[in-house]
Amino acid sequence: DGGITQSPKYLFRKEGQNVTLSCEQNLNHDAMYWYRQDPGQGLRLIYYSQIVNDFQKGDIAEGYSVSREKKESFPLTVTSAQKNPTAFYLCASSTGFINQPQHFGDGTRLSIL
Amino acid sequence: AQSVTQLGSHVSVSEGALVLLRCNYSSSVPPYLFWYVQYPNQGLQLLLKYTTGATLVKGINGFEAEFKKSETSFHLTKPSAHMSDAAEYFCAVSLYSSASKIIFGSGTRLSIRP
Repeated sequence: DGGITQSPKYLFRKEGQNVTLSCEQNLNHDAMYWYRQDPGQGLRLIYYSQIVNDFQKGDIAEGYSVSREKKESFPLTVTSAQKNPTAFYLCASSTGFINQPQHFGDGTRLSIL
Repeated sequence: AQSVTQLGSHVSVSEGALVLLRCNYSSSVPPYLFWYVQYPNQGLQLLLKYTTGATLVKGINGFEAEFKKSETSFHLTKPSAHMSDAAEYFCAVSLYSSASKIIFGSGTRLSIRP
């Protein structure tokens, strides 16, 4: 079945460490996205990519970095510059057309040790 | 600018009762609208979408939504709530300024009383 795979499901980070969250899709979608979700809040866009080798900052990009070297993959690195990284991170993909929905992975929960 | 507002961060209904989750949008152009559901510790799942055509949209799990341009609303309903409907629900609108981006509402948590 086609879908989006995020790994790991749970991730722990020590202070000062960078960690990378994986996102892979086999839907042949051009566009991919990373969102952050905090308890009781909606989704905030971190980064998005409409095509391979190109990506744009979202609303809360500071302290995060991404790459898009392959169509299927859009990893997110949470750097030590992100002072409050504890959150639920969601990856999504879409065809990129305005009338099409985004499809989501099951998320990665990041916690600080 | 486009935006979406969900009225009520928490809604509680009895099992078997009508579910009504409210969503209003702001858009100067015809909107593309979506409803998503999120169960605990999971990603978002598409319930239904409105693009063009019929204003009453049927989705999965017995949910439906009606696009009302005059009221700028896209409320989600289900005639009879089931315990399994307890979840967080998000209304969303596509942004014309960027073909790839969607703006999400802040979400409504639906609780079902036995």
